[in-house]
Amino acid sequence: AQRVTQPEKLLSVFKGAPVELKCNYSYSGSPELFWYVQYSRQRLQLLLRHISRESIKGFTADLNKGETSFHLKKPFAQEEDSAMYYCALQGAQKLVFGQGTRLTINP
Amino acid sequence: GAGVSQSPSNKVTEKGKDVELRCDPISGHTALYWYRQSLGQGLEFLIYFQGNSAPDKSGLPSDRFSAERTGGSVSTLTIQRTQQEDSAVYLCASSPDRGIVSYGYTFGSGTRLTVV
Repeated sequence: AQRVTQPEKLLSVFKGAPVELKCNYSYSGSPELFWYVQYSRQRLQLLLRHISRESIKGFTADLNKGETSFHLKKPFAQEEDSAMYYCALQGAQKLVFGQGTRLTINP
Repeated sequence: GAGVSQSPSNKVTEKGKDVELRCDPISGHTALYWYRQSLGQGLEFLIYFQGNSAPDKSGLPSDRFSAERTGGSVSTLTIQRTQQEDSAVYLCASSPDRGIVSYGYTFGSGTRLTVV
């Protein structure tokens, strides 16, 4: 079965503090993972893909196959990072999403 | 078009009525997906179209839900005899090809359905 778990529905940190959004997955094949973000009143958009090993808006995510995790990290949070974040796993046919984490950055 | 277009953006309907939601994917994208986004439920897969293949309907929650895609482009999601639990944001997404998974999906802005 393909499953994505984001254990935190809500996460609140102060501006300038490090942030980590947790994501764990369950998949028997070779996983392909993504983070999507939805800012207030905007459409859901791709933030980053594990396959490209990129850093977007200061965010990075490392695939850890041993722990079956793909946590999203940023060393210094900014107020504009406040949004809903979804971790997603590419299954055989479609993306399977986690429940999402609402990140709030306090000034 | 430049992006995935969905209409209407908002729909309020009475319980028991039928509704149709429309999605116009990015030109040339062969794969089209419908998801439902509701509070506390995350993003729930509904149905997937890929080219001329039979659609994957495994996510449709009941037989009141159906979808079609005409000419490999525009798709319509139909909900018959709407219930209050159908209230949600319905998202459409498209991608260039099922095999090119690393590009991810491009989402529309969604249709917010409210059943009263």
